[in-house]
Amino acid sequence: AQKVTQAQTEISVVEKEDVTLDCVYETRDTTYYLFWYKQPPSGELVFLIRRNSFDEQNEISGRYSWNFQKSTSSFNFTITASQVVDSAVYFCALSEARGSQGNLIFGKGTKLSVKP
Amino acid sequence: DAGVTQSPTHLIKTRGQHVTLRCSPISGHKSVSWYQQVLGQGPQFIFQYYEKEERGRGNFPDRFSARQFPNYSSELNVNALLLGDSALYLCASSTGQGFEDTQYFGPGTRLTVL
Repeated sequence: AQKVTQAQTEISVVEKEDVTLDCVYETRDTTYYLFWYKQPPSGELVFLIRRNSFDEQNEISGRYSWNFQKSTSSFNFTITASQVVDSAVYFCALSEARGSQGNLIFGKGTKLSVKP
Repeated sequence: DAGVTQSPTHLIKTRGQHVTLRCSPISGHKSVSWYQQVLGQGPQFIFQYYEKEERGRGNFPDRFSARQFPNYSSELNVNALLLGDSALYLCASSTGQGFEDTQYFGPGTRLTVL
């Protein structure tokens, strides 16, 4: 069973639209971290955010915001007023306290296309 | 400050050959992890090295091996290449080895096996 599910394979929006990328995770650990990474066409994964399992406060960084809900095991990512430069593949990842050292478990990613 | 660097950028090999990929972590980072990303999928964990010792291993065959040097740089070796080894190989570095540490990724090495 997949531990990190990103059900949206591809999303296409027009510039200035808001878009939410979904992430649902599965773990038996009570202590874990969740991450979001951005992968532009160049291939390098760019770190966006880290959230621990004990901190359910939502986070906002500029046009980006994250909604963490333990009750539904979700960690969704919203981009407000999207821009063409936001076009990339976005990955959600899980790191478990009892998992293998250094093992980030990634979802399959959501490809976001923002059209002008 | 320089980020994680990897070499080479691209590599083409034939089945049965051996390949060595290299990674230099961010200055001050002591942990290096390797991931394989096949087209259309998320990265899959291969190894983590911390202070020159293997600290974690993913579900990959023994054809895959790695090591870390005193300067914390790392090499990933793959023997007896198969067509299915064609992928983007990503290296990530972090300050520590813990599950809480943020991993910062390099640009990757694109390996094509013919």
